[in-house]
Amino acid sequence: RKEVEQDPGPFNVPEGATVAFNCTYSNSASQSFFWYRQDCRKEPKLLMSVYSSGNEDGRFTAQLNRASQYISLLIRDSKLSDSATYLCVVNNAGNMLTFGGGTRLMVKP
Amino acid sequence: NAGVTQTPKFQVLKTGQSMTLQCAQDMNHEYMSWYRQDPGMGLRLIHYSVGAGITDQGEVPNGYNVSRSTTEDFPLRLLSAAPSQTSVYFCASSGPTLAAETQYFGPGTRLLVL
Repeated sequence: RKEVEQDPGPFNVPEGATVAFNCTYSNSASQSFFWYRQDCRKEPKLLMSVYSSGNEDGRFTAQLNRASQYISLLIRDSKLSDSATYLCVVNNAGNMLTFGGGTRLMVKP
Repeated sequence: NAGVTQTPKFQVLKTGQSMTLQCAQDMNHEYMSWYRQDPGMGLRLIHYSVGAGITDQGEVPNGYNVSRSTTEDFPLRLLSAAPSQTSVYFCASSGPTLAAETQYFGPGTRLLVL
C-alpha cells in the first residue's frame, strides 16, 4: 500500500463547478500536510498547507481528518486556470516528504 | 533572484553512460533535495542535504551519487545510466527546515535513457 494515495482522475468538470479531492495517508504519526499544484511539464508549487482545524484560501478549502487519516481539497467556482495536477504531500517528521501520485483536474468551458 | 536552477533541461543517454545533473540555488538555503517523478508514482526522494558537506539517502538512492561542497550547489551523478532511470528529476531547496511550506523546486530535467 502506498504511504499517500490519491485518485489519479482525471476529474473533468465545467467552469463554475465545485470539485473535491481526497487523499489518504498510512502513517498515523504524520505531522504536517500540504497540497501542491503542478502544471503540465512544470515543477510543483505549494498551493496551501492543511491545518487540523481546516483552512481556506479564497476558493480553496483544505480539511484534515486525523482519525480517518485523510486530507481533502475543495475547489469552488472552478476556473479554466485551475486545470492542473494536485499533489497531496505528507511530512512524517525528520527530513522526508512523501508525495501522492497526484489527481488531475481538467476544467472545461 | 533566479531561485532554483537546473541544467540541462533535457538529456538523452545511452545505457551505461554517466552524467551529472546540475542544481544551484541563490537563496542561501541550507536544505537541498533531489526527487524523481515517474507517471503515477508521485515524487520520490533520491538524496538530500542539510548543509554543505552533509548528504543522506532518501527513498530511492541506488544508482545515484551526490555531494554538497558549497551551500549553493547540489549536483546529482548517475554513475552508469539504466533505462529504469528514465524520469523527470526535480531539485528542491528549503530554508530553515525541510518543511513543505518552504520548498522551492527547480524547473526539472527530463532524462531519457536508451
